[in-house]
Amino acid sequence: NAGVTQTPKFQVLKTGQSMTLQCAQDMNHEYMSWYRQDPGMGLRLIHYSVGAGITDQGEVPNGYNVSRSTTEDFPLRLLSAAPSQTSVYFCASSYSRSLGYGYTFGSGTRLTVV
Amino acid sequence: GENVEQHPSTLSVQEGDSAVIKCTYSDSASNYFPWYKQELGKRPQLIIDIRSNVGEKKDQRIAVTLNKTAKHFSLHITETQPEDSAVYFCALRGGSQGNLIFGKGTKLSVKP
Repeated sequence: NAGVTQTPKFQVLKTGQSMTLQCAQDMNHEYMSWYRQDPGMGLRLIHYSVGAGITDQGEVPNGYNVSRSTTEDFPLRLLSAAPSQTSVYFCASSYSRSLGYGYTFGSGTRLTVV
Repeated sequence: GENVEQHPSTLSVQEGDSAVIKCTYSDSASNYFPWYKQELGKRPQLIIDIRSNVGEKKDQRIAVTLNKTAKHFSLHITETQPEDSAVYFCALRGGSQGNLIFGKGTKLSVKP
């Protein structure tokens, strides 16, 4: 049981490049989400999904896309990287958003855009 | 949208002392209040949570209290140890979509 697995752990991109951050969970969690963490800003929600085929925007969705074709996977795509997207990205999952279960976080991806 | 105010942003205590972190919120419909601990370079990890039908919950040296009338909840750590040093985040399930909304964090330093 691996929990929530994120790849890569570190990435450096040039401005304008695109990339996909991977997130996979093996706990049959219904709910998955992406947060970014910036110094002094806490954790801010980018996108989330309440089940396969269903996604929605969070607080800071601009510049990011997501899809949820399976229960297990929830990739985050950066369309055209900008320096403002330099951050640590966390994927988190839970049995169900509506039942108020705590989140399980992945180990994070530290992204630098130059 | 819903906002969570967390105070203080930094807290330094001597080993063995108690530490208290407080969060306030505005949405009276919020019903789930977890606390996360994040050590340097690591992922946030759930340490305790409380639901709105409970006023207090305790787990060994940590406790959480909830005052729904005043709309605040607090984390209490007793007999602090150096390994308690970390950033602590409060959160709540709220907003129109019911996602977890996080406070900005409190950096706790426990001095030996």
